[in-house]
Amino acid sequence: AAGVIQSPRHLIKEKRETATLKCYPIPRHDTVYWYQQGPGQDPQFLISFYEKMQSDKGSIPDRFSAQQFSDYHSELNMSSLELGDSALYFCASSLNGGTDYGYTFGSGTRLTVV
Amino acid sequence: DAKTTQPNSMESNEEEPVHLPCNHSTISGTDYIHWYRQLPSQGPEYVIHGLTSNVNNRMASLAIAEDRKSSTLILHRATLRDAAVYYCILRDRTGANNLFFGTGTRLTVIP
Repeated sequence: AAGVIQSPRHLIKEKRETATLKCYPIPRHDTVYWYQQGPGQDPQFLISFYEKMQSDKGSIPDRFSAQQFSDYHSELNMSSLELGDSALYFCASSLNGGTDYGYTFGSGTRLTVV
Repeated sequence: DAKTTQPNSMESNEEEPVHLPCNHSTISGTDYIHWYRQLPSQGPEYVIHGLTSNVNNRMASLAIAEDRKSSTLILHRATLRDAAVYYCILRDRTGANNLFFGTGTRLTVIP
């Protein structure tokens, strides 16, 4: 079965650079979510999109932005990167808010800022 | 938001049952109890969810207390592959609120 695809798997950037993370949700899923997980931390909700419209916002820094495109893939754009942005970034998708079958998460993008 | 409380860590011997507890004394009538787990270096994975009645699926069973203030995730025969952090999360039945991860239980399976 198709899963949530994230790219790239690994990314190394320098401070003050920008990064773009991509997410391809499961076909026909209507909602995409982004999470950040720092070293030794639990996943923290950043932002979500329902049918290409932003639906909820969590602890996402102003330096980050995201959007969902007409083909339902989503991108997380991160600017002025800081060392503290080094983390695993997970994308998840769901149908009907995940009330029946939960969220399906991708394998994540590991971002290292040096 | 209603919160959950789980032990930080638990150990189990391989091929023995594991009971992972979760307290949620402030649960509301419209909250579902969801369980996710996260294996090392992987994204979280949905395990099971329920409202009032006990639930079973191919991965686990969920036992919910009659007053709904606590629940227990049951792995019938732990394998090494079950070593993960297990999260108990409350979500409104409409799914209107997002999935918020608290501090889960790190399960170690001993060969």
